[in-house]
Amino acid sequence: EDKVVQSPLSLVVHEGDTVTLNCSYEVTNFRSLLWYKQEKKAPTFLFMLTSSGIEKKSGRLSSILDKKELFSILNITATQTGDSAIYLCAVSFLDDKIIFGKGTRLHILP
Amino acid sequence: GAVVSQHPSRVICKSGTSVKIECRSLDFQATTMFWYRQFPKQSLMLMATSNEGSKATYEQGVEKDKFLINHASLTLSTLTVTSAHPEDSSFYICSAQARGLAGPYNEQFFGPGTRLTVL
Repeated sequence: EDKVVQSPLSLVVHEGDTVTLNCSYEVTNFRSLLWYKQEKKAPTFLFMLTSSGIEKKSGRLSSILDKKELFSILNITATQTGDSAIYLCAVSFLDDKIIFGKGTRLHILP
Repeated sequence: GAVVSQHPSRVICKSGTSVKIECRSLDFQATTMFWYRQFPKQSLMLMATSNEGSKATYEQGVEKDKFLINHASLTLSTLTVTSAHPEDSSFYICSAQARGLAGPYNEQFFGPGTRLTVL
């Protein structure tokens, strides 16, 4: 059975801290790994990762994929209260379907 | 960027009634649209895949007679929850996959979601 597992499920840190969110997967017909940020409504796209070892960066966020060990991490440095959200990891398949992990609920304390 | 809208954003209905949710791609043609359901503190669960002009493909455990999907055009898919019950209360999100947009990945663009509450 295809699955995406995220850890931790929830995390509370203080503003300015750095956090690392984990995502592991076991799937067949893997195409890419995706990270999304979900606040009150639909997820917003952060990163798509298809190749191992290539870091993707966007401001204070970065992510990397290890296709041998089947995991990815999402790093957020110098966290701000606006980073509080649910971070979803997902895997897309060759047939375009996506399955999501349960998410990491991140709360940044001022 | 590509925009997907959903209507209504929120609906409250009585048990036993049917509710229709629309998903529209506003500035692109969507070859495929996906419908997800998200219960509180749960992740998004794929319900069905909808291709324009053909029958939807439902995921295991999703009743196709209860969740009717119609993808009548390249910009519109509808999800009808028939004979809704309180356990159908959830956040329903659609996504649309763009046809012909640049890049090797047919990115899915998510709608803002519809919160359904069945009394």
